[in-house]
Amino acid sequence: DAGVIQSPRHEVTEMGQEVTLRCKPISGHNSLFWYRQTMMRGLELLIYFNNNVPIDDSGMPEDRFSAKMPNASFSTLKIQPSEPRDSAVYFCASSPPESETQYFGPGTRLLVL
Amino acid sequence: AQSVTQPDIHITVSEGASLELRCNYSYGATPYLFWYVQSPGQGLQLLLKYFSGDTLVQGIKGFEAEFKRSQSSFNLRKPSVHWSDAAEYFCAVGAGDYKLSFGAGTTVTVRA
Repeated sequence: DAGVIQSPRHEVTEMGQEVTLRCKPISGHNSLFWYRQTMMRGLELLIYFNNNVPIDDSGMPEDRFSAKMPNASFSTLKIQPSEPRDSAVYFCASSPPESETQYFGPGTRLLVL
Repeated sequence: AQSVTQPDIHITVSEGASLELRCNYSYGATPYLFWYVQSPGQGLQLLLKYFSGDTLVQGIKGFEAEFKRSQSSFNLRKPSVHWSDAAEYFCAVGAGDYKLSFGAGTTVTVRA
């Protein structure tokens, strides 16, 4: 079975550019989570969707970050404009209905120069 | 809100030796508890989970964990480590609202 799919796996961009990270959750899962992992702050929850609706976006750093889930099989995390401090690994995770268990994708390693 | 503490930042263990990683949580009710493993450059893989019932939980790769309510702990163990167990291990706690709080992680180094 396919797990959570993220693209791209690596992204290098210059400060000020727009970055779009993509995620395809596991089929049948109805919750989707975006996390950011850095050495300094560890694993942080950015936003949580349930049935395509954003439930909790309190972890989104600032207005430069936005996330969408137009349908059950696709989500995007966009950073515009990007800054060097956004360099991190971004993970997407999904959960099946009525479950606390989250399944993680391989992550996108973002470097903003 | 729930929280997790992993007291050990880094542990070094010899191949074939036993391993125990500590996890303490803070939550008023019975939590949902998880251990994940992250190999270098990889995503987080679920090792095991505890929701209720038997307090000793078996997971993949020969790992087990024990829930001790009196100590608010959920320590991870493996009787004999392999070089491939070198990774970072994360304990996580959920409160039933589908969100997880993760610990800072413990990095395990395995020496030959």
